[in-house]
Amino acid sequence: GAGVSQSPSNKVTEKGKDVELRCDPISGHTALYWYRQSLGQGLEFLIYFQGNSAPDKSGLPSDRFSAERTGGSVSTLTIQRTQQEDSAVYLCASSLDRIGNQPQHFGDGTRLSIL
Amino acid sequence: GENVEQHPSTLSVQEGDSAVIKCTYSDSASNYFPWYKQELGKGPQLIIDIRSNVGEKKDQRIAVTLNKTAKHFSLHITETQPEDSAVYFCAASRSARQLTFGSGTQLTVLP
Repeated sequence: GAGVSQSPSNKVTEKGKDVELRCDPISGHTALYWYRQSLGQGLEFLIYFQGNSAPDKSGLPSDRFSAERTGGSVSTLTIQRTQQEDSAVYLCASSLDRIGNQPQHFGDGTRLSIL
Repeated sequence: GENVEQHPSTLSVQEGDSAVIKCTYSDSASNYFPWYKQELGKGPQLIIDIRSNVGEKKDQRIAVTLNKTAKHFSLHITETQPEDSAVYFCAASRSARQLTFGSGTQLTVLP
C-alpha cells in the first residue's frame, strides 16, 4: 500500500522484556516521527528523524527508549526493560519535509500492552 | 514549549447540524495548525491544515479559521453526517516538525 506501515499491530509482553516496534514510511518521505498515545489521551511527541539522523530526541521519556533509522527508510523504536506505564499505542508518521512545512501522515500504530 | 488546549472534550450534534471545535495555543512562533480525525483502532488522518499566513481555509464541508492575535483556531464541520463521528485532534507546531496535540474531541453525530 501507499501509506505508513507499522508492525506489529499488537504486542503483548511481560514487564522487564525488551520490545522492538517497526515503521515503514511512505516511499520518498525523508522525515519520520514517533508519537505515543496513551488510552483516551492526545499524542505525545517522542522523536523525529530527518534522513537517518535524529535532530530532535527531546520527547523520549527515559533512557530505556531508543530509536534508529537506516537507509533513510525503515525505523525501529526499541523499549528496554518495559514497564507497565509503557502500555500505549505507538504511532509513526512520515512527511516529505523538504522545506520543513509538510503534513505528517500517520500509520495505524502498534498497540503495546505490558503485563 | 508549546501548549495546546482543545474544547469541548465531547460534542454531540444532530445529523445535518454544524459542529465547531476550538483550540488555543501558547507559542506565538507556531505557524502550522493541522486537524486530524481518528477513528477507533486507526491512526490519525489529516483532514485539513492551515498556515499562519492564512486566516481561513475551506475544503467542502470542513473549514478552519485562525486568529493569530488571540492565538486560537477552530474547526467547523457543516451538514454533519454519521460518518463524521470520530475523535478530532488539533495540533500546532513551528514548521510542521514536532507537533503538539490537543487532548481531542469525541464528536458524535446523532441520526
